[in-house]
Amino acid sequence: QITLKESGPTLVKPTQTLTLTCTFSGFSVTSRTMNVGWLRQPPGRALEWLALIYWTGEVRYSPSLRSRLTIIKDTSKNRVVLTMTNMDPVDTATYFCAHRRDYGEIDYWGQGTLVTVSS
Amino acid sequence: DIQMTQSPSSLSASVGDSVTITCRASQGIRTFLAWYQQKPDKAPTSLIYGASRLQSGVPSRFSGSGSGTYFTLTISSLQPEDFATYYCQQYSVYPLTFGGGTKVEIK
Repeated sequence: QITLKESGPTLVKPTQTLTLTCTFSGFSVTSRTMNVGWLRQPPGRALEWLALIYWTGEVRYSPSLRSRLTIIKDTSKNRVVLTMTNMDPVDTATYFCAHRRDYGEIDYWGQGTLVTVSS
Repeated sequence: DIQMTQSPSSLSASVGDSVTITCRASQGIRTFLAWYQQKPDKAPTSLIYGASRLQSGVPSRFSGSGSGTYFTLTISSLQPEDFATYYCQQYSVYPLTFGGGTKVEIK
């Protein structure tokens, strides 16, 4: 059974860097099924994909946010970390980590964590 | 980027009704299309992948069809627990993109 859970700050100030951690179980960070990504959803709006890291270390980013995002895997623990620089109030959203099945659909989601950007 | 357009954006229906949601891709994606259900303040859950394949545990009243640029999600007999927002998503190419969502409300 795959589970994922997001952790990080609930409030960040404009221009600060957001760091979110996804802790998962049911697969290993070194396994060939370790395809973990991040998505977000502003209040009342649609889902937006942000980034994904494969078990090989290959990473993919949303082109519109690429310059602000970094996704890494913590090989000592079952964790994936996302950083987003220069946060703005428009980045206020619920951030989800999720597992992608091979090169297919997203099959498991974390519960999400609401991040508010405000001074 | 591939744009995903869902319609309608919302609909009202009664328990027992059959409803169909459409999703159009701005370019062909073969059958690399998934559908998700999201209830208020919850994470999405996967319903369908490969345009028509049900995830394990998803009731058979849900069905998906289509290929290329036109896809549909049909709920054959709405149940109270089906009132939610539904999203389509293409995973043919990066960036992964979602439709704007269809909210299914109780009439």
